[in-house]
Amino acid sequence: AQSVTQLGSHVSVSEGALVLLRCNYSSSVPPYLFWYVQYPNQGLQLLLKYTTGATLVKGINGFEAEFKKSETSFHLTKPSAHMSDAAEYFCAVSGAFSYKLIFGSGTRLLVRP
Amino acid sequence: DVKVTQSSRYLVKRTGEKVFLECVQDMDHENMFWYRQDPGLGLRLIYFSYDVKMKEKGDIPEGYSVSREKKERFSLILESASTNQTSMYLCASRAPGGSKNIQYFGAGTRLSVL
Repeated sequence: AQSVTQLGSHVSVSEGALVLLRCNYSSSVPPYLFWYVQYPNQGLQLLLKYTTGATLVKGINGFEAEFKKSETSFHLTKPSAHMSDAAEYFCAVSGAFSYKLIFGSGTRLLVRP
Repeated sequence: DVKVTQSSRYLVKRTGEKVFLECVQDMDHENMFWYRQDPGLGLRLIYFSYDVKMKEKGDIPEGYSVSREKKERFSLILESASTNQTSMYLCASRAPGGSKNIQYFGAGTRLSVL
């Protein structure tokens, strides 16, 4: 069975500070991994994905994530937070060729001026 | 760009009412999904449709049904709404042969059942 754990339901950073959102997964098959972002009153938008190949994945809006198989992690980072990054972030996992996405419980990012 | 449109952003219904949530996608995707989003629980899959008239239960199908008569449209039905179905509902679609399993989401419908 697959599962996703996001550490911290809320993360608060100052504008310009490093953003680190944590995601750990469990999967019995090689995983596909995703980060989605949800801005207030909107649906989910894909930030980035890992399927195969390079383990450091770059996404939109300056975000990136690194797939670490040995740690079963896929943490999301951004070097410098912007006020517009305030949103809820979801990590998700699926098996290759599986239709099903398993989502974590989400992390709400707050950015302080 | 893929567009997934949910017909209502906000709905208020009474207990016992039959409720229809509609979702339309414009990219000829075969696969469509209905999720429920609750604080602290992330997104949970209610139903999945892999083609017209084909459906499969997700993780929390109780109290819900679905309809897919046309490829572009996927409806979620609450036969008799209850207060514990107050939630945000998100529709998604996925491209055929979706080995990378990227799903595209609508803006959501926030349903309140009184």
